[in-house]
Amino acid sequence: AQSVTQLDSQVPVFEEAPVELRCNYSSSVSVYLFWYVQYPNQGLQLLLKYLSGSTLVKGINGFEAEFNKSQTSFHLRKPSVHISDTAEYFCAVSDEKGTDKLIFGTGTRLQVFP
Amino acid sequence: DSGVTQTPKHLITATGQRVTLRCSPRSGDLSVYWYQQSLDQGLQFLIQYYNGEERAKGNILERFSAQQFPDLHSELNLSSLELGDSALYFCASSGWDGPRYGYTFGSGTRLTVV
Repeated sequence: AQSVTQLDSQVPVFEEAPVELRCNYSSSVSVYLFWYVQYPNQGLQLLLKYLSGSTLVKGINGFEAEFNKSQTSFHLRKPSVHISDTAEYFCAVSDEKGTDKLIFGTGTRLQVFP
Repeated sequence: DSGVTQTPKHLITATGQRVTLRCSPRSGDLSVYWYQQSLDQGLQFLIQYYNGEERAKGNILERFSAQQFPDLHSELNLSSLELGDSALYFCASSGWDGPRYGYTFGSGTRLTVV
């Protein structure tokens, strides 16, 4: 079955340090890839998406992600994090069977310390 | 404000009871998706409606049902509630090509079954 794996459940990092949140997916066909962020007591907000074309995708709040087809990965990066980036981050993939649903990973909790 | 409205924000009820969660999609969006977020299962897709009709079904229990009305708002009905149904229930909406552009999420309904 199609799946999304977020390898780290928690990532602690100091403010102004770089961060990478890892995401791997399984699919036998081309899919769309997404990163969402969930701040405390809020819904999920779209950070960025990969549909096709350039493998480096830039999103909001200084985040970017790189699509790697051979490694079936879509890792999220930020060169310098801020306290306000503390949140839960979810990687998602479109359904390879062509339905509209998104399949989410289990999330990575990014904790930024001063 | 994402444009997707969910009510109520919090709900506490007893086992065996029935509740209804409501969702109003973003203006112009025809698709509504329901997801359940629990600590142990992550974000699980329940069901999708498109312009009033069921389009896709996920891991939705038989005790749960949903519908989308002519004004496009949707309701998720949960009956014979069990302690394990305690979770955050999210509604999301999208345009006709949801998988390409991602979803817009509401802020969720936190259901506590006691």
